[in-house]
Order: sequence, then structure tokens, then C-alpha cells
Amino acid sequence: QSALTQPPSASGSPGQSVIISCTGTSSDVGRYNYVSWYQQHPDKAPKLMIYEVSKRPSGVPDRFSGSKSANTASLTVSGLQAEDEADYYCSSYAGSDNFVVFGGGTKLTVL
Amino acid sequence: QITLKESGPTLVKPTQTLTLTCTLSGFSLSTNGVGVGWIRQPPGKALEWLALIYWNDDQRYSPSLNSRLTITKDTSKSQVVLTMTNMDPVDTGTYYCAHGGCSGGRCYNYWGQGTLVTVSS
Repeated sequence: QSALTQPPSASGSPGQSVIISCTGTSSDVGRYNYVSWYQQHPDKAPKLMIYEVSKRPSGVPDRFSGSKSANTASLTVSGLQAEDEADYYCSSYAGSDNFVVFGGGTKLTVL
Repeated sequence: QITLKESGPTLVKPTQTLTLTCTLSGFSLSTNGVGVGWIRQPPGKALEWLALIYWNDDQRYSPSLNSRLTITKDTSKSQVVLTMTNMDPVDTGTYYCAHGGCSGGRCYNYWGQGTLVTVSS
């Protein structure tokens, strides 16, 4: 049982937008602006896509954006492309005792 | 160019202790603010954060695994070592080390390729 809740799957057609949610609690997502999103292709290591809720590391396309409202963070992928098909994981800082927690992952399918 | 590489046994027996080494390149663990973490992933399942060590030797552990984990660093060798005691088949999975270069070690911007560890008698 992961600490953060994500939908198991999401899908969209090329060019469309899709939103993936990540629900935590007032002790993690709701309390800190340290939400990150990772993309993982099959048999590959995760790749950081978003950090601190909405910041993009260098090299990540601006089609990827992040936001947060209360205890739920969201990843929006706009202009879907075939290469966006992957698993996406959210994570959040959860204080000095729990430190970092992950979501259960969302499999994004590009139809 | 920052790279990390995990090494260690691919097969361990139940109750044994697992020792994994992460060899760093392109950055130093003696640099203020730097952290290296370990994250694992059972086959077909989600990521699970395990531990983090900072440049100043400050350590953080997953509460659920705290009693079984130890993370250490050898700055001269550019290595971070994770030990996990009393291994069980449920600990089977891919173990990643990662550079905690953002948000004060709370997110990971460079990852190793991962090493698959199987726990079986």
C-alpha cells in the first residue's frame, strides 16, 4: 500500500492532454511544496520530470507541467506523444520522520 | 556528467544481509548540500524510498525499514553503501541509487541503472 494514491491508469490520444492525480494527506502533499514526478519506461530507471510541485529540470519538455491543490498534486501532459507512454510516479516530502513517500504509479497509454 | 552505478549480489538467501554499493562519478559527496539516496522497486510494483545520506553524514531512513537499514559513505572512494539485514523474499526487486540534487535531497535528478536482487533459498 503506497502512501500516495494515484489512478492505476490513464490514457489519451496523440495531441490531447491528460492529467494524472496524486492524493496524499495534510502531512505530506498538503503540507510541503516538495512534490516530484518521475517518468519510467519499461526496464529503465525513473527520470525526474517535475520537482517542487511545478518546476521542470533542464531538458524536460514544457508539455509537462505540475500543480497542487490542498492534498492533491497533478501532472498534466499536453500534446501527448507516443514517447510519453510510460509509468508515472509522484513523490512527496513527508517530514523528517517519513522523509520521502511515493505513489503507486500510473500507467499512461497513448492510444 | 553525473553518473551512479549500483553493484552487489544478484542473489541472496533469506535471513542473509544484503550489501549494495553505489559508485558515484561527476560529483563529490563532500560538497555542501549533496545527498545520495536508495530507492527500490519490486517486480511490477511501485517505487519505495529506502534511505538517504548527506554530505555531512546526516542519514534518513524509511520508518518501516529503519531497523534493518544502514547507509554509509566513503567520500575518498566516491561510494555509498546500503546494508539491509534479515532479507526476505518480499525484498526481491531492483535497487536504485540516485543523486538527491534537488529540494535538499527530497527529489532525485540522476539515477543509476538499478541492480536486481533476488531473495531465494
